[in-house]
Amino acid sequence: DAGVTQSPTHLIKTRGQQVTLRCSPKSGHDTVSWYQQALGQGPQFIFQYYEEEERQRGNFPDRFSGHQFPNYSSELNVNALLLGDSALYLCASSLDAGSWFTNEKLFFGSGTQLSVL
Amino acid sequence: ELKVEQNPLFLSMQEGKNYTIYCNYSTTSDRLYWYRQDPGKSLESLFVLLSNGAVKQEGRLMASLDTKARLSTLHITAAVHDLSATYFCAPYYGGATNKLIFGTGTLLAVQP
Repeated sequence: DAGVTQSPTHLIKTRGQQVTLRCSPKSGHDTVSWYQQALGQGPQFIFQYYEEEERQRGNFPDRFSGHQFPNYSSELNVNALLLGDSALYLCASSLDAGSWFTNEKLFFGSGTQLSVL
Repeated sequence: ELKVEQNPLFLSMQEGKNYTIYCNYSTTSDRLYWYRQDPGKSLESLFVLLSNGAVKQEGRLMASLDTKARLSTLHITAAVHDLSATYFCAPYYGGATNKLIFGTGTLLAVQP
C-alpha cells in the first residue's frame, strides 16, 4: 500500500515562472492538505482540499492555487514565482477533515523541493 | 493569532543524558501532534495526544499534554545519536480553522 506520493522530488525554476506540484494521497484517503516549509522553519499551512473543493486556506496569496481530482489526487500551482517561494512543499492526506485528527496520524509525503533562481 | 513556540530551538546533548523539549501554544487546543524531521526529509509522525493529561511513550521518547497550561513536552531519556533530528509540535485547531499549526522546531544534536 503506497503512502502519500509527491512529484517531482526536486524542481528548479526562475522568477516569474509557473510551477505545478502533484500529490497522490494514501489509499483510502480523501482529504489533501498542502504545507510550505521554508529552510529552518516549521511547515506553514497553505490550503486543504476535500470533495474537490478548497475547504480551508492559510495566509498565502492568490498566486497559490490548487485542485483536487475525482480520484482524490491534488495539484498545487504557484504563479509568478518569487525567490521567497523557494521551499519544501509537503502534501498530507487523511480520511476526512473531521475524523482524521482523532483516529489517525496525518500522513505526509516526501515533499517537493522547489528552488527559485 | 495562533502561535506555537518551542524551546529550546537548538539542543546539543551527550549520549546517555536526559532532556525535555517544551511546546507552548497561544490558543487552547485539545489535540497535539509531535513530528520528527531528518535533514532534507519529510515529517515522520511520532505521537498524537488527544486529551488533557495524555501521555505516550515510544522507546526513549515520551510526550505529554497539559491543555490547561497550553503546554506539551517531549522528554528524551538516555539519548542516542540516532535521535538527532528536528522535532516539531503541532496543535490542532478545528472548526473554521481545521488545520495544524506547527511550532518553530527544535534541532536536536546528540553527541557521542
